[in-house]
Order: sequence, then structure tokens, then C-alpha cells
Amino acid sequence: ETGVTQSPTHLIKTRGQQVTLRCSSQSGHNTVSWYQQALGQGPQFIFQYYREEENGRGNFPPRFSGLQFPNYSSELNVNALELDDSALYLCASSPDSIEQYFGPGTRLTVT
Amino acid sequence: AQKITQTQPGMFVQEKEAVTLDCTYDTSDQSYGLFWYKQPSSGEMIFLIYQGSYDEQNATEGRYSLNFQKARKSANLVISASQLGDSAMYFCAMREAGGYSGNTPLVFGKGTRLSVIA
Repeated sequence: ETGVTQSPTHLIKTRGQQVTLRCSSQSGHNTVSWYQQALGQGPQFIFQYYREEENGRGNFPPRFSGLQFPNYSSELNVNALELDDSALYLCASSPDSIEQYFGPGTRLTVT
Repeated sequence: AQKITQTQPGMFVQEKEAVTLDCTYDTSDQSYGLFWYKQPSSGEMIFLIYQGSYDEQNATEGRYSLNFQKARKSANLVISASQLGDSAMYFCAMREAGGYSGNTPLVFGKGTRLSVIA
């Protein structure tokens, strides 16, 4: 039990639609990172927020955006969904220490 | 260039035996951290073990140990006394530029699927 929760667990969307995924981490975890894990691959870094500001971004287009809130929750928004966006989306939070605590993930299917 | 390489897509091990999962990495940084995660079919990434680049001793956590060979840039995970519950995907990951901060992203390998046989 990492104390990181994600919602929803599963989601089915149509190509072209927009989606918002949510993550709630523990109090004091100032850093939150989002990863995309396609089937059969390792997770790929999307972006990271520290104290509500984006402070790192992977090789993902601008239609992937996020927010981090003062209550240690965060969102990942994806606009204009494409079929290749189908993946497991993982949220990870960190209290500025070595570990990142991962949530259970949201499985997104785009049809 | 691939930062983390896991060359074993799948491994089988007999229950109660030991198994080694291979991981090699590529970095020009002097300070970095190496991680192993377990991912069961449920999808959650479970932290297993960490090795810092300046740590002289190999990390150990219960049945998990990390065989760190810095000159070879390898960080193999050894699981002793395998259990049926160890069946899962295992990912090696690296964090560069400090390794001790929560503020740099993890770079993952493609993973190894371990199956433990009764």
C-alpha cells in the first residue's frame, strides 16, 4: 500500500475525445510524475510537477498536459486522443527522497 | 541510445531456487541511482531495491539483492528462494543527475517476465 490512488481504474474513449486522469498522493509528497506504459513496454516519462509547477517533460506532444494542486492531487489531461494513446498511465509521487511511490494506474483504451 | 537494457524477455525458475535478472545501463553521469521494480498483473509498480552509484556495497532487501558492477555498468537483481508470488514483470530503472533526489524522472528498461514453477 503506497498511499497513492488513481481514478478511474479503467476508461474507454473514442479517438478525438479528451480525457482527464486523476491521482492523489500522500501529504508532503511535493513531486508527482506521470508515466505512460504501452502494452509490453516499460513506463515512459510524460512529465513531472514540483510544488504545482511543471519541472520536467519527456518526449510527449503538448496535447498531454497536467496540473498539480495544493492538496497533493494531480491531473493528467490528454486532448485529441489517438489510438496509440491506449496504455496504462501511472502516477508516482515522491517526498523528495530516493523512492517514487506508484499508484495502481489507469488503463485507457482508445477506440 | 538505450539507457537501460534488459536482455531477458522471459525467465523461468523453480520454486525455492535463486534467479538472476540482468540489467545493463548507459550513462555519462557520475551520480545516479539504480532501481528494481516488480509489476504484478494488477499493474502497480512495487519498489524492490535501490543502489546508488557511490554505494560501495551491494544493496540487499530481504530475498532481493542487487549485484552492482560499476565498471561493467550492470545492476543485476538476484532473487533468492523464489516463491510462486514472485511471478511478475520486473523492471530495472535509472535516475541520473543526483540519484538521491525525487526530482529527476526514472528511465525504465523493457522488463523481464519471471515465471516461478511449483
